[in-house]
Amino acid sequence: AQKITQTQPGMFVQEKEAVTLDCTYDTSDPSYGLFWYKQPSSGEMIFLIYQGSYDQQNATEGRYSLNFQKARKSANLVISASQLGDSAMYFCAMRGITGGGNKLTFGTGTQLKVEL
Amino acid sequence: GAGVSQSPRYKVAKRGQDVALRCDPISGHVSLFWYQQALGQGPEFLTYFQNEAQLDKSGLPSDRFFAERPEGSVSTLKIQRTQQEDSAVYLCASTRGQGEKLFFGSGTQLSVL
Repeated sequence: AQKITQTQPGMFVQEKEAVTLDCTYDTSDPSYGLFWYKQPSSGEMIFLIYQGSYDQQNATEGRYSLNFQKARKSANLVISASQLGDSAMYFCAMRGITGGGNKLTFGTGTQLKVEL
Repeated sequence: GAGVSQSPRYKVAKRGQDVALRCDPISGHVSLFWYQQALGQGPEFLTYFQNEAQLDKSGLPSDRFFAERPEGSVSTLKIQRTQQEDSAVYLCASTRGQGEKLFFGSGTQLSVL
């Protein structure tokens, strides 16, 4: 079974500062992918960044980077230079090869609030 | 269309009523997923289609839940005899194929009174 744990129900950050959102995972699959999605109040899940378990380098997408530490089973999201529009719910998710490699297992999310 | 479209955006049903939720995936996307998101929780997998074939329905919580995608494009999630515990946001997602990232719609918020 796959499990995603997000231990921060809520986080505050000041505009222009960096923030790290924590994610740990558990799986017995030898190959897996890790995702971060943003969910604003409109409800849509917006893809942010992806890290494959065999990727040698940490993934980066603009202001988003993923701090992947395989031995510790963690995949923290780092948002640099926070903006007011970053205020939203953030979900970490995993996809493994179990079940055909199509299901995403999500964590419970972290509510991020960016303040002036 | 440009993105995944879901309708209705909001649905209020009386307990015991049947409801049908529609998902229009991105054109050409082979795979389609339904997720259920309870208040304050992450989405939970319900079912998965590849074209018109329903390959995984292990997440459907009961036999009151039924999904179809008869022509491999639009999908409908039907819930019969709705119960209060069915109240949630139902999210649809599509991908070009296996291993690709999921594109989600804005969801249908179902409230069962």
